[in-house]
This record gives sequence, structure tokens and C-alpha cells, in this order.
Amino acid sequence: QVQLVQSGAEVKKPGASVKVSCKASGYTFSSYAVHWVRQAPGQRPEWMGWNNAGNGNTKYSQEFQGRVTMAGDASASTAYMELSSLRSEDMAVYYCAISTASTLGAFDIWGQGTMVTVSS
Amino acid sequence: EIVLTQSPGTLSLSPGERATLSCRASQSVSSNYLAWYQQKPGPPPRLLIYGASSRATGIPDRFSGSGSGTDFTLTISRLEPEDFAVYYCQQYGRSPRTFGQGTKLEIK
Repeated sequence: QVQLVQSGAEVKKPGASVKVSCKASGYTFSSYAVHWVRQAPGQRPEWMGWNNAGNGNTKYSQEFQGRVTMAGDASASTAYMELSSLRSEDMAVYYCAISTASTLGAFDIWGQGTMVTVSS
Repeated sequence: EIVLTQSPGTLSLSPGERATLSCRASQSVSSNYLAWYQQKPGPPPRLLIYGASSRATGIPDRFSGSGSGTDFTLTISRLEPEDFAVYYCQQYGRSPRTFGQGTKLEIK
């Protein structure tokens, strides 16, 4: 079945960078763009952007422009999201998600989430 | 950016009752690209409804979505114990994709 499995929890100091991976299985990786969504404790989800490994296109939310890099490695069926210049407000669970062909853009498959803690 | 406002913030109901959750957009949501998700503590959000009114795979028919333009509704016809959770609406017709602040459905 279609599945996204993310890398483990991270603890980083303010100003550092974090890189989260998302390994896909059960489908052709380059068929769907991989989106990244984060959710701070008790807050609504926040969309960060997407990367399409099939055509190399990427789009970022203005909120993260300049600090985030998203990429995909089709040979490894893995997507990556790197966020730099971390601050305490970046402490959240980071999810990768895709919309398969049947849901017209809504996220029907999610990774399990990666907790990123930012603390000195 | 399209701002989504959900109401009420908290809804207290009993199993077997009907739940009506609202999502209002600050601008018209193109092509009714509006989704509803359910989230319980721990797991990621679970897609319930997409395209404003289409149920996702495996979602029971007690969940239904309606609306268009700027006003959307999620209805749960008869609440089951497992339905008590937080519900978010999301628009995905315009970038950035945005989520509402959520409605917490709690047991009365």
C-alpha cells in the first residue's frame, strides 16, 4: 500500500539547520508532488511547500522562502525538507504528505511525522 | 492568502447526536477545492472530505460535506464514540494552502 515513512525526531540549537527525510513506497515516487506541512503543539497545520521529483519543480510558502529547501531523490524514492536558521517558533511536528490522483489535491496520504525540538 | 475561520471553536455533543461544523473563507475557494480532516492526539490528520463534498476512501457515510464559494459545512449525522476529535478545513485551490483553526468535538 502507499506509505510515507519519515526520519526520527531531532533536537537542534537555535540557528542550526534540520533535514527531514520522507521515504515513499507503494507507488511511483515521481508521480506525485511531496508536500510538507508542520504543526506546532496545539496549533493548526501550516503548509510549507512542495517538491515534484518528476519534473524538478518546487514551490514554497512565502512564510518560509529563503529558509527552506525541498528536494526529491527518485532513485531512493525519498523526499527531503531542510529548514535553516532555526528558532524556537520552529518547534513542531513536520509531516510529508501527498495527494494521489483520486483526491484532486487534498492530502490523503501522510507520513507519521517528525518532531523537531529547538532548544539551547 | 485565504483565511479560513471555523466555528464553533468547541462543540459538546453526545454519541448519537448530529454535529454541524462550519468553515468560512475570506475569499471564494476556487473549484470548491475544500477539504476536511479529522485529527486525534498523536497521528497526522486524516482526510475525510475533498472537493467540498466527496468522501475519501473508507470514510463512513455518516460524514458529509457541503457548501460552495466561501461557506462550507461538515455534517456528522450520528456521532460515534470514535468521532470525538479535532476537525480542520483546508483550502487547496490557491497558494498558500491554508487550514482553519479547528473545531474540537468533545463528548458532552
